[in-house]
Amino acid sequence: DAKTTQPPSMDCAEGRAANLPCNHSTISGNEYVYWYRQIHSQGPQYIIHGLKNNETNEMASLIITEDRKSSTLILPHATLRDTAVYYCIVRVAGQGAQKLVFGQGTRLTINP
Amino acid sequence: KAGVTQTPRYLIKTRGQQVTLSCSPISGHRSVSWYQQTPGQGLQFLFEYFSETQRNKGNFPGRFSGRQFSNSRSEMNVSTLELGDSALYLCASSQDRLAGANVLTFGAGSRLTVL
Repeated sequence: DAKTTQPPSMDCAEGRAANLPCNHSTISGNEYVYWYRQIHSQGPQYIIHGLKNNETNEMASLIITEDRKSSTLILPHATLRDTAVYYCIVRVAGQGAQKLVFGQGTRLTINP
Repeated sequence: KAGVTQTPRYLIKTRGQQVTLSCSPISGHRSVSWYQQTPGQGLQFLFEYFSETQRNKGNFPGRFSGRQFSNSRSEMNVSTLELGDSALYLCASSQDRLAGANVLTFGAGSRLTVL
């Protein structure tokens, strides 16, 4: 699986957009980009995933560069409850995709 | 729609004992994966089960084992517990798409403390 690189920590003001970057320069053509987050001592929560195109759901937007070597997760209006560790993971599609490799993630702190 | 249920939520054991953790996946999900989370090593994949068969395995010693039942419920067992086995054990279930993304839904975890 492609290795991902994320900043260890970020801060964002409540109500502002939080932009979390992720580098995955060795990504293969059949690998998806997934984002999960983990609020303290809870199980990770799925946020969004994408292959080539930008994606948006009720939680966030995912912007993937044209060469697919990096992506940005956008939380449009961050709240205090968005304080968590955010993991960017690259994984193949289909069966076997359940074996996720979690890095250290980005610890996002939303400040009032 | 009920989520992934893990039991027990908390347990304390002593070195040398064994422990069994249980996981009930989301209805209709046939794949169950287990992860271990420790402060030092972070989140690490243990194994994945599908149709009562172990399909993927992480880099853990044989003391860690699991199984899946015909209703997709899964258990994991750790024998001869060591202090380093103290961790949050997470179970995740997913559909098993042959193509496309497979999203994991995680349970709240079972926190094991080994004394």
